[in-house]
Amino acid sequence: EAQVTQNPRYLITVTGKKLTVTCSQNMNHEYMSWYRQDPGLGLRQIYYSMNVEVTDKGDVPEGYKVSRKEKRNFPLILESPSPNQTSLYFCASRQGARGYTFGSGTRLTVV
Amino acid sequence: ILNVEQSPQSLHVQEGDSTNFTCSFPSSNFYALHWYRWETAKSPEALFVMTLNGDEKKKGRISATLNTKEGYSYLYIKGSQPEDSATYLCASPHGSGNTGKLIFGQGTTLQVKP
Repeated sequence: EAQVTQNPRYLITVTGKKLTVTCSQNMNHEYMSWYRQDPGLGLRQIYYSMNVEVTDKGDVPEGYKVSRKEKRNFPLILESPSPNQTSLYFCASRQGARGYTFGSGTRLTVV
Repeated sequence: ILNVEQSPQSLHVQEGDSTNFTCSFPSSNFYALHWYRWETAKSPEALFVMTLNGDEKKKGRISATLNTKEGYSYLYIKGSQPEDSATYLCASPHGSGNTGKLIFGQGTTLQVKP
C-alpha cells in the first residue's frame, strides 16, 4: 500500500532531550515536507526537500533540523525541544505536480 | 511570505444544501493551486491540483474552479451530506516553479447537519 509512515504517533518528552521523528514513504516521491499544526495557525511548513541531499527551510524552521540521505526517508530532529514545540506534526510527500500524501501525524508534547 | 486566504472560516449547512467557499492567492508568479480535505482525527487528503486558468475539476459531488488572473479558486459541494463535514484547505507553492514550498490557507470548516 502506498503510504507515508511516521513514528512515533504520540510522544511526551522533557525540555532539552533530543528526539527524532521518523518519516518514510514507499512511493519513490521526490518531494517531502514537514508541517506542524497548531490551533488557530493552520498548517505551517517547517522544512521541505526536493530530492536527496536537497533541503530548504519552510516558514517555521527554528529549533528543527532535517536530513535527506535517502529518497524514502526524511527524519525531523529536535536537538533541544522546548514547550513551544508542543504540536501535531505531519510528514508528507509528493511527486511532480501532484498533491501531497500525508502521514498519520505525530502528537508531540514537551514538558 | 505568500498569503493564501480562505473564506469563510466556518460554515454550517443542512443535509442536501449546496455550498461553496473561496480561496484567494497572489496572482503573480502562479504555479498551482491545491485543495485538500481534512476530516477530524485523520490526515489531510488531496482533492485537486489545478494549474490552468479556467480549469475546472470534479470528484463526485465536489468540484473546483480556478481563476489565476484574479487569484481565486472556488470549491463547490453539491447536495452536502454529513460525511462531507471536514476542514477544506487550499495551498499554493511559493513563488514561481515547483519549489516544494507549499503554503496552506487556514481552511474552511464545514459542518453538515442531518
